[in-house]
Amino acid sequence: DTAVSQTPKYLVTQMGNDKSIKCEQNLGHDTMYWYKQDSKKFLKIMFSYNNKELIINETVPNRFSPKSPDKAHLNLHINSLELGDSAVYFCASSSGGASETQYFGPGTRLLVL
Amino acid sequence: QKEVEQDPGPLSVPEGAIVSLNCTYSNSAFQYFMWYRQYSRKGPELLMYTYSSGNKEDGRFTAQVDKSSKYISLFIRDSQPSDSATYLCAMMKGGGNKLTFGTGTQLKVEL
Repeated sequence: DTAVSQTPKYLVTQMGNDKSIKCEQNLGHDTMYWYKQDSKKFLKIMFSYNNKELIINETVPNRFSPKSPDKAHLNLHINSLELGDSAVYFCASSSGGASETQYFGPGTRLLVL
Repeated sequence: QKEVEQDPGPLSVPEGAIVSLNCTYSNSAFQYFMWYRQYSRKGPELLMYTYSSGNKEDGRFTAQVDKSSKYISLFIRDSQPSDSATYLCAMMKGGGNKLTFGTGTQLKVEL
């Protein structure tokens, strides 16, 4: 069983479109995250939710909006996609206590043309 | 200047070699130190997790943290071709959830 899963794996779209990436974890964790990994492999946190409540919101354009329908799911909606949004987006989860280990999903490769 | 610095490599070693991977950091508030391994086109997976200064060993892997020098290391003994991956150091402040990553070092272990 996959602990943290993401859909889709690959996403190719045109500039200006709106797209969503979905994440689900079956670990019973309370905290979920979205990270962006650029072409140089640099991994940077975007958002974190604890029990459906936003707790980390890094300097990310308003075009990115996370949504957590329940604590097992954290989706990422991106409006008006730009070329610079092309990257790999990783979802992660942890048990929610401070300094707990984070477990990563397989990533969603987004290419904006 | 990034909070966490890591040589991107690539680092190429022969099978059986001892590999040393390092990161330096500038924020003395970091208390938790991790090493993640990322295979090509996969998500990062946790290898080692240490708190504060000291050493931690797990099989062929040893993590070292020197908080006075703001320097952490990962040693891989008897390296194998299956160790070929990108190794990312990551750090967290006490009481927090936010991981700050290094840029990753690409390692290739050759037969």
